[in-house]
Amino acid sequence: NAGVTQTPKFQVLKTGQSMTLQCAQDMNHNSMYWYRQDPGMGLRLIYYSASEGTTDKGEVPNGYNVSRLNKREFSLRLESAAPSQTSVYFCASSEAGRRDYNEQFFGPGTRLTVL
Amino acid sequence: AQRVTQPEKLLSVFKGAPVELKCNYSYSGSPELFWYVQYSRQRLQLLLRHISRESIKGFTADLNKGETSFHLKKPFAQEEDSAMYYCALSLFSNQGGKLIFGQGTELSVKP
Repeated sequence: NAGVTQTPKFQVLKTGQSMTLQCAQDMNHNSMYWYRQDPGMGLRLIYYSASEGTTDKGEVPNGYNVSRLNKREFSLRLESAAPSQTSVYFCASSEAGRRDYNEQFFGPGTRLTVL
Repeated sequence: AQRVTQPEKLLSVFKGAPVELKCNYSYSGSPELFWYVQYSRQRLQLLLRHISRESIKGFTADLNKGETSFHLKKPFAQEEDSAMYYCALSLFSNQGGKLIFGQGTELSVKP
């Protein structure tokens, strides 16, 4: 059981370039999430997918798009990268069946630098 | 608006000293709160959830609705407790569950 996997682990982009961050989970979870982690800001939700076929905006969606490819995979795309998107990106998944047991399982993160 | 606040960016204590990491929340409904921990070079993981009223690795957290707080406590800190700690509020609807995280507190336990 790999849990939640993310690729790549590191990436350096130039301003204006595009890229897609990949995420997959093997726990048969319904819900998946993308967060960014910035110093002093904690984790902020970018987009989430409550179930296969649905996606919704989180707290900081501007500049990002997502695709829930199937139940296992949830990708995050930066169409035109900006230096403000330099961050560590985490993917997570959860069963999301009950609010009080809403445990999310996290991937190892992708460290993205935009020059 | 829903919000989680962790007022301390860094908390530094000596081994054996008591530890309290503060968390305050703003939520109009009945809150469901969690503490997540990220050890160095490891993934973010659940430490404890308020509904379980459990003690994990010696840590406890009590929900105080009057003070809207969910502080994390440990009576005797260990060096292996050094990590980043996040308090999180669960939001749930028929569209699934979301977590609102605080800014995080870095705990440093010195020998």
